[in-house]
Amino acid sequence: GAVVSQHPSRVICKSGTSVKIECRSLDFQATTMFWYRQFPKKSLMLMATSNEGSKATYEQGVEKDKFLINHASLTLSTLTVTSAHPEDSSFYICSAWTIQGGRIGRRNYGYTFGSGTRLTVV
Amino acid sequence: GQQVMQIPQYQHVQEGEDFTTYCNSSTTLSNIQWYKQRPGGHPVFLIQLVKSGEVKKQKRLTFQFGEAKKNSSLHITATQTTDVGTYFCAVNSGGSNYKLTFGKGTLLTVNP
Repeated sequence: GAVVSQHPSRVICKSGTSVKIECRSLDFQATTMFWYRQFPKKSLMLMATSNEGSKATYEQGVEKDKFLINHASLTLSTLTVTSAHPEDSSFYICSAWTIQGGRIGRRNYGYTFGSGTRLTVV
Repeated sequence: GQQVMQIPQYQHVQEGEDFTTYCNSSTTLSNIQWYKQRPGGHPVFLIQLVKSGEVKKQKRLTFQFGEAKKNSSLHITATQTTDVGTYFCAVNSGGSNYKLTFGKGTLLTVNP
């Protein structure tokens, strides 16, 4: 099935530095990818929709200048956390809408997630 | 966008007991999806339900979509330790870009 590769899996950075997270669709093209944030034992909160060749669409309350999203190709979307602070520590995860199996004419579609990035800002 | 309420938040069972998690919406849903996230892992797609009253089974897992397409449930028969994780329902937020809104999830722990 479809695979979304996300790197790095873990990163520890100092306050004030920037961190880039990459998500690649390995065997399919993704014109759209979604970036979520998850706090411990909490649900997934959509941060933004990454659109290939155009600006990302951010959810209400998400700072565009802090969470820079770039979708330069059909297989790569990046999220850069700029000037990171301890409160940015979280689990960041990307996803793409893909076929999830089923017979032709009865296909299931859903998210294929990357493996996530656990960011710790010290 | 669409909102969905998921209960319970936590469920602890003895191995072999059954488990059910429920999702409810105040509006009619076009479809609903279920995902499982193992501790320390990422969510994995389980199923999509589209039709009113639809019931789908995957081994010990039974998924139901209500007749009014406003609620859904996931039932696990005879839980095993491998069922441990958080189960999320997710619904389309609307629009053409397939945004999903996730329920708060139900964390299932199984005592062996």
